[in-house]
Amino acid sequence: QSALTQPASVSGSPGQSITIPCTGTSSDVGTYSLVSWYQQHPGKAPKLMIYEVSKRPSGVSNRFSGSKSGNTASLTISGLQAEDEADYYCCSYAGSGTSVYVFGTGTKVTVL
Amino acid sequence: EEELLESGGDLVQPGGSLRLSCAASGVTFNKYAMSWVRQAPGKGLEWVSRISGSGGSTYYADSVKGRFTISRDNSKDMLYLQMNSLRAEDTAVYHCAKDRLDHFDPWGRGTLVTVSS
Repeated sequence: QSALTQPASVSGSPGQSITIPCTGTSSDVGTYSLVSWYQQHPGKAPKLMIYEVSKRPSGVSNRFSGSKSGNTASLTISGLQAEDEADYYCCSYAGSGTSVYVFGTGTKVTVL
Repeated sequence: EEELLESGGDLVQPGGSLRLSCAASGVTFNKYAMSWVRQAPGKGLEWVSRISGSGGSTYYADSVKGRFTISRDNSKDMLYLQMNSLRAEDTAVYHCAKDRLDHFDPWGRGTLVTVSS
């Protein structure tokens, strides 16, 4: 099972919106609506930002939103803030076969 | 508040063994599956292994199958990862996480495993 594909980096100015795509296959993202997104600051544990494609956990800003179309899921950050600068990873359930979960390659978000 | 704390990471020679532990607090531990996820230095996240709430079902990434064993002791709210035949490519920070199938939350801060001679 190959990693989900994300762009290595995305940047934006404060207040702008950015979107991070996460491309998988019909064996993972395309079949299951069990896509989650994680934010990771340097040296810290990953933090859940989105689950089940578009649901936001309590305490996560509504500036973060998720969607999915076909084999590609996306995370959108609106009203970009300095504190959003971090690494972001998508993750999809992939069934109980060779790999239960597959993570994305990760995207470094830079706030200009 | 739910909290997970890993321990057991160390420097080990190739071919060696190590056992990681993950202590859970503030969690109804035996109700939930748990997973180990690792992150090699400067690299992305990689799912390693999953165990059901009862411990009766276990799953492994191909990269560790046959070498790693996940287990849990629900009486002690503890999760374990026995790692044998360690390779240089197993060098990583290992995180434990509560596994809800549709997401991992919370995560522990991780414990560093370094495989080197």
